[in-house]
Amino acid sequence: DTEVTQTPKHLVMGMTNKKSLKCEQHMGHRAMYWYKQKAKKPPELMFVYSYEKLSINESVPSRFSPECPNSSLLNLHLHALQPEDSALYLCASSLRARDTGELFFGEGSRLTVL
Amino acid sequence: QQQVKQSPQSLIVQKGGISIINCAYENTAFDYFPWYQQFPGKGPALLIAIRPDVSEKKEGRFTISFNKSAKQFSLHIMDSQPGDSATYFCAASKPGGQNFVFGPGTRLSVLP
Repeated sequence: DTEVTQTPKHLVMGMTNKKSLKCEQHMGHRAMYWYKQKAKKPPELMFVYSYEKLSINESVPSRFSPECPNSSLLNLHLHALQPEDSALYLCASSLRARDTGELFFGEGSRLTVL
Repeated sequence: QQQVKQSPQSLIVQKGGISIINCAYENTAFDYFPWYQQFPGKGPALLIAIRPDVSEKKEGRFTISFNKSAKQFSLHIMDSQPGDSATYFCAASKPGGQNFVFGPGTRLSVLP
């Protein structure tokens, strides 16, 4: 069983909606990540948080806004998304940011933008 | 130079057969090579990993072979089972976990 929990598992939203994806881990990991995965493609890195501070933003549009309230929680706030943003959004964690080879992924949130 | 190439794109193997997936990289600064397994509707899970100071690592039916001079590494699944049917991603990262990159993936189907 995965130790990274993501909610909701499925989300359908219109282009004018505001919604949030949530991620939680209790492994004591200090690095957390958001990835986006399109069908039949590998995950693409969006954001990296290290010790609750944003350390990497892979030129993600501002309609995606990450937040790390504490070392166990990671949110992704969504606003004014486009249909092409429909994808599987994966949260991951690692012991430290320099351990990015050993990532623990959640099951993902399947997002559909109408 | 940041890319990891992976082949084949898809693979069909009979139950009990050997599945082989190959990856190649260009950047010699990569020093950690994990393989991730992803089932439909699930997130990727770390399967096995290797560092370039060893040529082979085995965990159960899964073996990584690493050829540093050729800048290639491969995953061998012995006695493949239908439950191994999944997408497999090779990956690479630099020291300190920098520039972690996934290969494009291989969809494996093991027929009963």
